Amino acid sequence: AQKITQTQPGMFVQEKEAVTLDCTYDTSDPSYGLFWYKQPSSGEMIFLIYQGSYDQQNATEGRYSLNFQKARKSANLVISASQLGDSAMYFCAMREGMGSNYKLTFGKGTLLTVNP
Amino acid sequence: DAMVIQNPRYQVTQFGKPVTLSCSQTLNHNVMYWYQQKSSQAPKLLFHYYDKDFNNEADTPDNFQSRRPNTSFCFLDIRSPGLGDAAMYLCATSTAIQETQYFGPGTRLLVL
Repeated sequence: AQKITQTQPGMFVQEKEAVTLDCTYDTSDPSYGLFWYKQPSSGEMIFLIYQGSYDQQNATEGRYSLNFQKARKSANLVISASQLGDSAMYFCAMREGMGSNYKLTFGKGTLLTVNP
Repeated sequence: DAMVIQNPRYQVTQFGKPVTLSCSQTLNHNVMYWYQQKSSQAPKLLFHYYDKDFNNEADTPDNFQSRRPNTSFCFLDIRSPGLGDAAMYLCATSTAIQETQYFGPGTRLLVL
């Protein structure tokens, strides 16, 4: 079974509108972390937002928020007021494990296109 | 600005000719990682260093080696590149193994 599932290979959104990128995860570890990264066509992976499994509130960072539903094992990324520069590949990732066995596992990504 | 730097950004090598990719960081992070990302795929961890301790992923081919001469620098050596090794190679760092990883801009490797 996949650890991280991103079911949307591609998404389109109109400039200035909000968009939600889906991510579900699978782990039996009670302590884990969830990350979202943005990868423009230039290739750099840009860290956007982090949610810890014990965090009570949903994480927010500027226009980015993470809709964390622990019981459903989902960690969707919400981008408000989309901009043309948001067009990129978006990866959801999970950190799990203990000690030196910590590992970051990535989903397959969602390609977001923002239309003017 | 503190950052992760990768050189070169683009590297062309010949089949079987050894190649070295470089990563440096000014973040003073303890952990440095190397990922391989093939076209339209997620990054795949090759190995990481926690300080001087080297941790190899079980499925990383022997063809891939790494060196970390000091805190700031880490190198990826591909001893005999094959056509299947053409990919984006991403370096990342973190303060500790469980903390957020920050990535460099990557090196695109082309094997002719």
